[in-house]
Amino acid sequence: EDQVTQSPEALRLQEGESSSLNCSYTVSGLRGLFWYRQDPGKGPEFLFTLYSAGEEKEKERLKATLTKKESFLHITAPKPEDSATYLCAVQVRTGNQFYFGTGTSLTVIP
Amino acid sequence: NAGVTQTPKFRVLKTGQSMTLLCAQDMNHEYMYWYRQDPGMGLRLIHYSVGEGTTAKGEVPDGYNVSRLKKQNFLLGLESAAPSQTSVYFCASSYLNTDTQYFGPGTRLTVL
Repeated sequence: EDQVTQSPEALRLQEGESSSLNCSYTVSGLRGLFWYRQDPGKGPEFLFTLYSAGEEKEKERLKATLTKKESFLHITAPKPEDSATYLCAVQVRTGNQFYFGTGTSLTVIP
Repeated sequence: NAGVTQTPKFRVLKTGQSMTLLCAQDMNHEYMYWYRQDPGMGLRLIHYSVGEGTTAKGEVPDGYNVSRLKKQNFLLGLESAAPSQTSVYFCASSYLNTDTQYFGPGTRLTVL
């Protein structure tokens, strides 16, 4: 069964304290892995797409990496404005299905 | 560009009532999707469309119907609402099925 698991469920960081969010997946053939940011009361906002193991992408304080079983979203020196829920989604090779994890709620304290 | 818009933003229904949620996109995207988001469950795909006039079932299609009569619009219908359909509904669109999905702001639906 295709499955996406994110950990931790919630994370509180001091401003400037770097950390990583995890997305592990078991799917029957990965087509792509997507990271989104979601603010309260809003729709998910696209951050990154990763397609193959070893691939890395960066945007400001965020860096996403991909292995054959999991992806990490590294947050370097976070700021309060990075507080949000971060969602991971995988697309399988067959069909058009996307499977989302339940997200990690990040709070950055000034 | 407005991107992806959803109408209405909020709605309260009584059990058994019907309603239609409208999603519109101005990016000329081929693919459109309807998701529901529930606490602890993550986003789940209800139905999707790979082009005008086409629709297909997703992970949780029961109790919903959809139509894509125009490329820019994707409608989600509830014929007889149930309390289990209380959720936040998101529409998304993408140019290709392997492409980034752009999400709308969501519709919060409560069924009493």
